[in-house]
Amino acid sequence: AQSVTQPDIHITVSEGASLELRCNYSYGATPYLFWYVQSPGQGLQLLLKYFSGDTLVQGIKGFEAEFKRSQSSFNLRKPSVHWSDAAEYFCAVGYSGGGADGLTFGKGTHLIIQP
Amino acid sequence: SQTIHQWPATLVQPVGSPLSLECTVEGTSNPNLYWYRQAAGRGLQLLFYSVGIGQISSEVPQNLSASRPQDRQFILSSKKLLLSDSGFYLCACSFASQETQYFGPGTRLLVL
Repeated sequence: AQSVTQPDIHITVSEGASLELRCNYSYGATPYLFWYVQSPGQGLQLLLKYFSGDTLVQGIKGFEAEFKRSQSSFNLRKPSVHWSDAAEYFCAVGYSGGGADGLTFGKGTHLIIQP
Repeated sequence: SQTIHQWPATLVQPVGSPLSLECTVEGTSNPNLYWYRQAAGRGLQLLFYSVGIGQISSEVPQNLSASRPQDRQFILSSKKLLLSDSGFYLCACSFASQETQYFGPGTRLLVL
């Protein structure tokens, strides 16, 4: 069965600084990979996804992520964070044909932005 | 594009009372539907998913049940709530040709 690890429970970054959130997955074949963001008390919003092709994917709100097969990673990056980026970030993995079996989510990384 | 509605937004219920949370989807047909629970400080736990009317799969044994009486309606229920049922409940949908899931705004349930 697939699994997702987000090793950082909390990350604190100064406003304007760069950001990298880590995500590692465990799955035998090429997975489908997702990053979601959740503001307090809200649902999850899709930031970006990787299915195939270019391993560097661009998402909304200035985020990008890079799929590295050799490292089984899909880290999320942003060159300059804004105070509004403070939220919970979830990495998730699915697979072709997984369909209704759904996605497997990591436990999330809580991003704190310092002024 | 699809829109997911969840009702109610917040609910406070006593232990032992029944529960009914509703999820409806607009702007699409024949979606796959999901119920997740998010406990404080934890990730998302998949509770149920449905590929069609009347078709429910349960991921974990628990005090809850789900039903899908209509194509775009997914209901989460309990006959008697437990304290451990407190949490944030999220409904999501996806489509047969895609694995991307889209989430509703959630329902916060507090069982006292």
